[in-house]
Amino acid sequence: DTAVSQTPKYLVTQMGNDKSIKCEQNLGHDTMYWYKQDSKKFLKIMFSYNNKELIINETVPNRFSPKSPDKAHLNLHINSLELGDSAVYFCASRGTSGGAREQYFGPGTRLTVT
Amino acid sequence: GEDVEQSLFLSVREGDSSVINCTYTDSSSTYLYWYKQEPGAGLQLLTYIFSNMDMKQDQRLTVLLNKKDKHLSLRIADTQTGDSAIYFCAETPAGNNRKLIWGLGTSLAVNP
Repeated sequence: DTAVSQTPKYLVTQMGNDKSIKCEQNLGHDTMYWYKQDSKKFLKIMFSYNNKELIINETVPNRFSPKSPDKAHLNLHINSLELGDSAVYFCASRGTSGGAREQYFGPGTRLTVT
Repeated sequence: GEDVEQSLFLSVREGDSSVINCTYTDSSSTYLYWYKQEPGAGLQLLTYIFSNMDMKQDQRLTVLLNKKDKHLSLRIADTQTGDSAIYFCAETPAGNNRKLIWGLGTSLAVNP
């Protein structure tokens, strides 16, 4: 009964490789997000989709490409990985009805680029 | 522009109260949130407050909102070692309620 799930939990890869991280939510939410958390624990939003439509696209290298096949899934593909991409990537989702409309986070994917 | 600031570290003794402070710049924020991140885990919503409220209490947690000073605080009574975590303050700007503006997080260390 996991609300927001991500796979894989850990990802170790070499520079120059291409990798994907997957996210799924079973909360029936319309909006999903990708965040990057660096080694200092600073949280930075990367992308957001609402009903499969990209609504937030922060300043992120175009090596990063999100894809939302349906509103329950948001995947992140990263091309030509660099050392600076090492971080924890969090997926989150948010409903569009109700009061506080808080975001629910997945457990994170720790990406290590060597 | 929109900005949320927090001090980065706080250390308290077990059993004491902890107060984590946050300041924000967007006076038209609708909701303000406190999230908790335990080591190796994702962020969990602790509590939130709507902008027309001054205070919200939930068991050991008390949130105070001073709209005039744009100051938000989280008080944890009887702090336990299990409260050791990073606490993030976030706000929903009125102009874009799908985006949260995040603080950098306050790392709370609880010493026995």
